Amino acid sequence: DAGVIQSPRHEVTEMGQEVTLRCKPISGHNSLFWYRQTMMRGLELLIYFNNNVPIDDSGMPEDRFSAKMPNASFSTLKIQPSEPRDSAVYFCASSLSPSGITDTQYFGPGTRLTVL
Amino acid sequence: DAKTTQPTSMDCAEGRAANLPCNHSTISGNEYVYWYRQIHSQGPQYIIHGLKNNETNEMASLIITEDRKSSTLILPHATLRDTAVYYCIVNPTGTASKLTFGTGTRLQVTL
Repeated sequence: DAGVIQSPRHEVTEMGQEVTLRCKPISGHNSLFWYRQTMMRGLELLIYFNNNVPIDDSGMPEDRFSAKMPNASFSTLKIQPSEPRDSAVYFCASSLSPSGITDTQYFGPGTRLTVL
Repeated sequence: DAKTTQPTSMDCAEGRAANLPCNHSTISGNEYVYWYRQIHSQGPQYIIHGLKNNETNEMASLIITEDRKSSTLILPHATLRDTAVYYCIVNPTGTASKLTFGTGTRLQVTL
């Protein structure tokens, strides 16, 4: 099993540019999570999907952030326009969540985003 | 609304057991105790979880007190590769439960 795959691993962009982060969850997993980690705020959940449907996006900072999951094997997190304060490491995680049973999340290696 | 309290940092000599405590005095009956760790520059890694009984797997043991208000993660023979930030998280059952990470314990394993 390849685990959760994220791309790119590193992204450097200029303020105002659009950034798209990509995630491929573990095959067969039905929940997907996007997290952001900074020194100041630690690791925080942005949004999660269950069976490709967004369940909770209360952690998304503002309208500049959007996430999609068009199918069970792919998700994107888009920032448009990007700002320097968006610089962080973005993690994607997936889990297998049978109803009523607690689940374990498996994290990808992260995308380190730097906005200049 | 921190649900867990952990020491900021701990040291452990290589080869010795590392005992990482966690207080979760407001834990609810349906909440599990999860442990994850994050090695520098990597994504968090699941270690173990439990509800009320003690648990053991190939990575660690989890000891939960009878009142469930605290727990201890035990790495029986710590190695340098166990140097990481360890997060204790309480998490309810249910579909796609969210993980709320605190600041964790930074464990430094030394020679």
